[in-house]
Amino acid sequence: GQQVMQIPQYQHVQEGEDFTTYCNSSTTLSNIQWYKQRPGGHPVFLIQLVKSGEVKKQKRLTFQSGEAKKNSSLHITATQTTDVGTYFCAAITGGGNKLTFGTGTQLKVEL
Amino acid sequence: DGGITQSPKYLFRKEGQNVTLSCEQNLNHDAMYWYRQDPGQGLRLIYYSQIVNDFQKGDIAEGYSVSREKKESFPLTVTSAQKNPTAFYLCASISGIENYGYTFGSGTRLTVV
Repeated sequence: GQQVMQIPQYQHVQEGEDFTTYCNSSTTLSNIQWYKQRPGGHPVFLIQLVKSGEVKKQKRLTFQSGEAKKNSSLHITATQTTDVGTYFCAAITGGGNKLTFGTGTQLKVEL
Repeated sequence: DGGITQSPKYLFRKEGQNVTLSCEQNLNHDAMYWYRQDPGQGLRLIYYSQIVNDFQKGDIAEGYSVSREKKESFPLTVTSAQKNPTAFYLCASISGIENYGYTFGSGTRLTVV
């Protein structure tokens, strides 16, 4: 099946630094979605990117899809301790709105 | 408030036992999904159902079974055939009309003792 890779696997930053996670696939990603999972919690939907080269912003978070729709990125400006968690990208694969999830990037923010 | 309820939150299973994880939603969503998450890993699809009385296997269905007798309910049974069942199990749903992302339940942590 389709594989979706994310890098880096882990990222430690000081509060106030920026953070970026990248999502890559060898095949075209359809309806790219991003989720955040707090430690001990469940994934929470953040946003969906449908078009190639699309950019969407949510406060300090910027989501972008690549021109060929084989990659996507999430950038957080000036991280805060509330940003701690694991960020997953996902894409719809096949019928039934099935999502294939990326491997995730775990973000830790230190004061 | 609308949402997805998973129970129990923690479950301990002995070797050779079947256990059933509950997933109930009051969102009136058509499609429901079961994912498995291992520590430090992504989510892998076990089974999904788009309508009542119909379901399909996901990527790792072996050792699991499901039913969808009601729109609101999608229970998952972890059978004794599942050799490594210790994991975090997440149930999710979406509306069949417009996909604005999955709504997840709070999960069930299953441990084999």
